This record gives sequence, C-alpha cells and structure tokens, in this order.
Amino acid sequence: KAGVTQTPRYLIKTRGQQVTLSCSPISGHRSVSWYQQTPGQGLQFLFEYFSETQRNKGNFPGRFSGRQFSNSRSEMNVSTLELGDSALYLCASSLGDRAVETQYFGPGTRLLVL
Amino acid sequence: AQSVAQPEDQVNVAEGNPLTVKCTYSVSGNPYLFWYVQYPNRGLQFLLKYITGDNLVKGSYGFEAEFNKSQTSFHLKKPSALVSDSALYFCAVRGLSGAGSYQLTFGKGTKLSVIP
Repeated sequence: KAGVTQTPRYLIKTRGQQVTLSCSPISGHRSVSWYQQTPGQGLQFLFEYFSETQRNKGNFPGRFSGRQFSNSRSEMNVSTLELGDSALYLCASSLGDRAVETQYFGPGTRLLVL
Repeated sequence: AQSVAQPEDQVNVAEGNPLTVKCTYSVSGNPYLFWYVQYPNRGLQFLLKYITGDNLVKGSYGFEAEFNKSQTSFHLKKPSALVSDSALYFCAVRGLSGAGSYQLTFGKGTKLSVIP
C-alpha cells in the first residue's frame, strides 16, 4: 500500500504570496491532519479533517486554512506569507478519528519564505 | 489540555549499549501514547503505541516502551543500539481537545546519537 504523499516537496515563496500544499492519504484513510515543524517551536498541530469536515484546529492565525475532498485528499493554504511561515509542513493520515488510531506521516513539504 | 515532556534534548550512547529516551506526559482521561522517529529530511515514522493492556509495548526495529501510570512516563528503550538508530525521536500523547475531538500533541524531540 502506498504511503502518504505530499506535493510539492520543496517550495520557495516571497513574503505576501500565498501557497497551497497537497496531501494524499493512505488508501482507505479518512482522517488527515496537518502539522508545522520548526526548529524553535517543534511540531505544532494545524488542523484535522475527517470526512470533509474540519474536526479540530490548532492555535494558528486565520491565514492558515485547509480543506478535504470527497476522496480524502487534503489541501492546506497559507495566505499572505510571512518569514516565520518557513517550516516543514507535515501531513498525516489515519483510518478514522478515534484516539487509538495511528497517524502515518508523509515526507513533508519544506517551505522557504524569502 | 495535554502535554508531553522529553527532558533530554540529546542522548549519546555507544553502539551495542542499551538506550533509553525519556518521556513524561499529562493528559485527562486514558492516555494514548505514541513514539515516532524522524530521520534527516524525512517525515515521521511510527514506532509503537500504548493503548491499554501490558505496560511493556514492543514496536518496530527492536524498540520497546514501558508505560508507567503512577509516574506518567512512557520511556523508549532498546537493548542494543545501532549506529543506524541515530535520529530524532518524538513522544506524543493523544487526548481530547476543547473541540471534542482527539488531538496528537508532541514533545520537543530527543536527538539520539549512537557512537560507533
């Protein structure tokens, strides 16, 4: 079974631009979560989607948004990019949204904002 | 709100020696605990999880973890370290968020260096 895939793998943007990142979950997985990883803040939860509904959102500004499609693929969007948005963005999928479910991570998208 | 503490930023161990990476947690309700490993420029790989049952959980690549409810700890262990185990290790707890769904919260990570 193919793992979680994320595109693009690397991205360079300038301040003020917007960016869209894509995540394809493992086949059959209906829950997708997004995380931001930086050296200073570590791994921070962005949001979780299950069956096209946002179930939970982390403490990030409204510039960060996401959505999930009927095939469980997910996208996240960051508008008006800031230098501090430079990070590794990780997507994870799980079968469902129960506490016992294991989240499986993709390789990440590394975003550099100049 | 739940939290995870990994008290050591870095752990150094000689190849062939046992290794321990420490983790303590705080969560309301039942603890669902996970360990992940991250190699450079890669995503996180799942190692093992504790849901319920035996306090000693066995996982991938010879790793195991010991759950201790009274000490709220979930330390990762391996009897004999390999140089290829050198990586960044994350402990995580999954608990109920304010939104009523389960959220995975990670520790800051521990860098493990296995010295040949």
